[in-house]
Amino acid sequence: EPEVTQTPSHQVTQMGQEVILRCVPISNHLYFYWYRQILGQKVEFLVSFYNNEISEKSEIFDDQFSVERPDGSNFTLKIRSTKLEDSAMYFCASSSDRGLRQPQHFGDGTRLSIL
Amino acid sequence: RKEVEQDPGPFNVPEGATVAFNCTYSNSASQSFFWYRQDCRKEPKLLMSVYSSGNEDGRFTAQLNRASQYISLLIRDSKLSDSATYLCVVNPMTANAGGTSYGKLTFGQGTILTVHP
Repeated sequence: EPEVTQTPSHQVTQMGQEVILRCVPISNHLYFYWYRQILGQKVEFLVSFYNNEISEKSEIFDDQFSVERPDGSNFTLKIRSTKLEDSAMYFCASSSDRGLRQPQHFGDGTRLSIL
Repeated sequence: RKEVEQDPGPFNVPEGATVAFNCTYSNSASQSFFWYRQDCRKEPKLLMSVYSSGNEDGRFTAQLNRASQYISLLIRDSKLSDSATYLCVVNPMTANAGGTSYGKLTFGQGTILTVHP
């Protein structure tokens, strides 16, 4: 079964540094998403991406965040200057449509630890 | 009112038991609904979509009541492997400046289920 893959599985970074989290969505999917989950809290939407542009973003997704699809397979999330509160699991997801009927499939996540 | 609210749990049940989880959502314009399960420190995995007519997948039955904005999940004949956190997930499909929201899933806090021998 095709799956979403994410790298790295764990990223440890000093506060203020830039991080790039990488995702390879399922190959025939057109809609891509990033979510995060702070330890012990619920999964929160960050951003959705379609046709090479952001479709929607949450209040969490401020100017420190950016997304990019640099080639035909990768989908990245960049945090420009990390803060302690950015420590969380970051999940990438993809779907074949807007999600009315087709569910989003999640990667196994990147655990981001900011020191 | 929270966007998606679930029974807090935890639920501790013996193998073979039947257990039911409830969920309410606040956005009446929501169009699609899902149950995901999440194992400790793992990604959410789709368990089943939830349709207005109700749907069943083996031991799992999901129901949707749009009038009450209520979703349920019933697990029959619980197995040890059912132990996980069950996430009620709603796709609000709201309009935004660009026209339509693309799949901004809203998650409940999750209900912890532990099935013991």
